[in-house]
Amino acid sequence: QSVLTQPPSVSAAPGQKVTISCSGSSSNIGNNSLSWYQQLPGTAPKLLIYENNKRPSGIPDRFSGSKSGTSATLGITGLQTGDEADYYCGTWDSSLSAAVFGGGTKLTVL
Amino acid sequence: QVQLQQWGAGLLKPSETLSLTCAVYGGSFSGYFWSWIRQPPGKGLEWIGEINHSGSTNYSPSLKSRGTISVDTSKNRFSLKLSSVTAADTALYYCARGWYCSSTSCYGGSYAFDIWGQGTMVTVSS
Repeated sequence: QSVLTQPPSVSAAPGQKVTISCSGSSSNIGNNSLSWYQQLPGTAPKLLIYENNKRPSGIPDRFSGSKSGTSATLGITGLQTGDEADYYCGTWDSSLSAAVFGGGTKLTVL
Repeated sequence: QVQLQQWGAGLLKPSETLSLTCAVYGGSFSGYFWSWIRQPPGKGLEWIGEINHSGSTNYSPSLKSRGTISVDTSKNRFSLKLSSVTAADTALYYCARGWYCSSTSCYGGSYAFDIWGQGTMVTVSS
């Protein structure tokens, strides 16, 4: 049981937009910055979004992040088959004094 | 460009101690937390713990004190030892660089991980 809750899977057609939700509590998302990761099959996770909505250098602007209260959303526009991957949200939990992740969401581009 | 290279034993028997090391190349060792994260086969990411350059550590409560993370700043390396392993510890283990400050706040530990090692598969089997 993950501290952060994500849907197990989402799907959309190429070129469309998809959103992935991440919900938590006041001890994690509600008061701390959130990050998002993309894990392509057989590879290490890659940081997509940090500080809720900022993209590291090299991450295309098709990827966006937002946060409201104790929930956050990752948005991906102009879906490509290469976006098929597992996506994770993560943050620091001040009550647990631990980093926490969501259970992951598998994106299928139909 | 910062790179992490990790190594350690890949096959253990139950009750043995897992030992992994991660070396940091090409960047500063200070100003970050250095973490261990694992991923059981077919499952999600699980944070194990982390250490900074001065030796301050954070650990996952779920480890129940089995884990010890240490640092060797002279070699820009940090290590994980996990005692009394069982089949439940079978996973792909990653080391990663953690950020503990955003533009507005600093936290007790990492909220984001920007650089990851290549991963080490550890299997626990009798």
